[in-house]
Amino acid sequence: EAGVTQFPSHSVIEKGQTVTLRCDPISGHDNLYWYRRVMGKEIKFLLHFVKESKQDESGMPNNRFLAERTGGTYSTLKVQPAELEDSGVYFCASSPFGTVDYTGELFFGEGSRLTVL
Amino acid sequence: KQEVTQIPAALSVPEGENLVLNCSFTDSAIYNLQWFRQDPGKGLTSLLLIQSSQREQTSGRLNASLDKSSGRSTLYIAASQPGDSATYLCAVIKGVLKTSYDKVIFGPGTSLSVIP
Repeated sequence: EAGVTQFPSHSVIEKGQTVTLRCDPISGHDNLYWYRRVMGKEIKFLLHFVKESKQDESGMPNNRFLAERTGGTYSTLKVQPAELEDSGVYFCASSPFGTVDYTGELFFGEGSRLTVL
Repeated sequence: KQEVTQIPAALSVPEGENLVLNCSFTDSAIYNLQWFRQDPGKGLTSLLLIQSSQREQTSGRLNASLDKSSGRSTLYIAASQPGDSATYLCAVIKGVLKTSYDKVIFGPGTSLSVIP
């Protein structure tokens, strides 16, 4: 079974440009989370989807960030326009939802490293 | 507000030593706690998951304990090896009901170096 996959693994863009990160969760996982780790800081929650619905987006830093999960499958995180402080590693995680043996265990992707110059 | 801390921030030990990494959290109402490992430039690898009703979990040379009442978890690594060098993160998962949403709060991590 494929794990959580993220694309691209690394993106280098200039300030003011747009970048779109993609996450494919484990098949059948309704929960999808985005996290990011900026240099020297701990991993911070950005938002949480349950299927296609945004359950919690309290961690989104500002309106330059837009996350979507059309159809409840893969998700995209768009940064437009990118700023220097957006540089970091963006992680996606998934977990199943509401099953009898639900443990809440998270499965993470490899992350997408974003460098804004 | 849930806060998660990890001590020490960095640790360097000679190969073969047993070691303990600490994780503390301020709100004991957690659903479970998960320990991860992150290698440089890589994603997060789940090591152990402890549900709130459990006291400990073991996997190979790793043993994680959980004391909800005191807001603490420890990760014990036996007979450390150079390949154990990585950043170790604990994360508390707060979910009241199985049908409610979860929010995961990460600690800052402990950077471990095992010297050959």
